[in-house]
Amino acid sequence: DIQMTQSPSSLSASVGDRVTITCQASQDIYNYLNWYQQKPGRAPKLLIYDASNLETGVPSRFSGTGSGTDYTFTITSLQPEDIATYFCQQYHSLPFTFGPGTTVDIK
Amino acid sequence: EVQLLESGGGLVSPGGSLRLSCAASGFTFSTYAMSWVRQAPGKGLEWVSGISGDGGSTYYADSVKGRFTISRDNSKNTLYLQMNSLRAEDTALFYCTKDQRYSIGVHFHWGQGTLVTVSS
Repeated sequence: DIQMTQSPSSLSASVGDRVTITCQASQDIYNYLNWYQQKPGRAPKLLIYDASNLETGVPSRFSGTGSGTDYTFTITSLQPEDIATYFCQQYHSLPFTFGPGTTVDIK
Repeated sequence: EVQLLESGGGLVSPGGSLRLSCAASGFTFSTYAMSWVRQAPGKGLEWVSGISGDGGSTYYADSVKGRFTISRDNSKNTLYLQMNSLRAEDTALFYCTKDQRYSIGVHFHWGQGTLVTVSS
């Protein structure tokens, strides 16, 4: 199975800050990488698919980059409504696997 | 608007069975692959199973292979997950997801989940 790691596991930032989360796969996943946001008590929501494609309706302050085994998720200007846990997920190989998540809150 | 409504969760004893359902609306159900993803209380996400739009291809995580069966009834716009030989470690919130047209893996839409608790 492909193992996914994320860092940091949690972070606190101020409104307006740039926030960056990294995700590393245990092998090349050829951009088959998605990012999800999960707010407390809610279902996850797809934000980014195929490493860098913004899902319809998702604000442009969210973005994703990367290739091979290393991927980055960025919020360019953190907003109060962005408080959530963010998960990366690979779908290059079965079983699809998720990272452990990064919890983002406001400082 | 895409809507996915899961049902069928509940409390079951170890070794027992449950069948989850996911009623879909707002899209042409038969043309989209679907998946089940679960989340144990306070834990991360685990992909469980997926199925092609016509139901001809199914996929399972090793942790549930041989115990769970995914299926769909395209005439009823409903996805199912038959769960047998349930274990305590299967306790989780189970989400139904709408994936891509021709393959599983990108979970574009999620239901609100149905809770399965396996306990004596």
